[in-house]
Amino acid sequence: AQSVTQLGSHVSVSEGALVLLRCNYSSSVPPYLFWYVQYPNQGLQLLLKYTSAATLVKGINGFEAEFKKSETSFHLTKPSAHMSDAAEYFCAVSSPAGGNQFYFGTGTSLTVIP
Amino acid sequence: GAGVSQTPSNKVTEKGKYVELRCDPISGHTALYWYRQSLGQGPEFLIYFQGTGAADDSGLPNDRFFAVRPEGSVSTLKIQRTERGDSAVYLCASSDQPGGADTQYFGPGTRLTVL
Repeated sequence: AQSVTQLGSHVSVSEGALVLLRCNYSSSVPPYLFWYVQYPNQGLQLLLKYTSAATLVKGINGFEAEFKKSETSFHLTKPSAHMSDAAEYFCAVSSPAGGNQFYFGTGTSLTVIP
Repeated sequence: GAGVSQTPSNKVTEKGKYVELRCDPISGHTALYWYRQSLGQGPEFLIYFQGTGAADDSGLPNDRFFAVRPEGSVSTLKIQRTERGDSAVYLCASSDQPGGADTQYFGPGTRLTVL
C-alpha cells in the first residue's frame, strides 16, 4: 500500500523567506513522487515529479524537491517566497510497479505574508 | 491549447436524485482519471480509463457510481440515488502517457452539493 503524509495543513511565511512544505511517503517499492499546486478556482497543476532519475528535482516557479530514501521524504522548497505562491499544495505518490492509482496527501495551504 | 474542461462547474441536487458530471480531456490524451475531493482532503482516486475501457475502477465507492467513456474522449461520471455524503468536488484529469510516472492535467472540477 502507498500513502503520503503532509505535515502542517497550514504554513505561513513572509514574502522573501524560505518555503518548506513537508511530505513523507510510505511505499513498499521505490515510488514515483509528485507535487501539485492548486490555485483558487483552478485545477491542480504539476510543479515537479521524481521518477527515479536525479534525486534533486527542479520544477516550475523556482520550486524544487529532494527525494531522500533514508528519510522517506520528498519535501518541497523555494528559496524566496512570492505573494503569487499562496495556494494549496499537494504531494502525491504512485507506483512504478504497475497500476495507475495516485495517492494524494491532504494538502498544505501556503500563506505568504507581505 | 485547450485544457481539461468539466461541466457543470457547480451542481446542486436533492438527495435521491441522479446526476451526471462531464469531462472533456485534452485532445489526444488516451488516459482519463476521475477523483473526488472532499473538504480539507486531497483528491481521492475513483476510476481510470485507458481509451474506452475502464482499466481500474477500484476507487468507486459503491455501485451507485458509474463512469463511461464510449468514444475514448469525453467521459461522464454518473451517480445514482445521491446521498449527502456524495457532496464534494469531482475532478477529472487526463494524460498522454499512461503509467505511474505520467503527468496528469486536471480540470477545474465540478462542485456537487447534495441537499
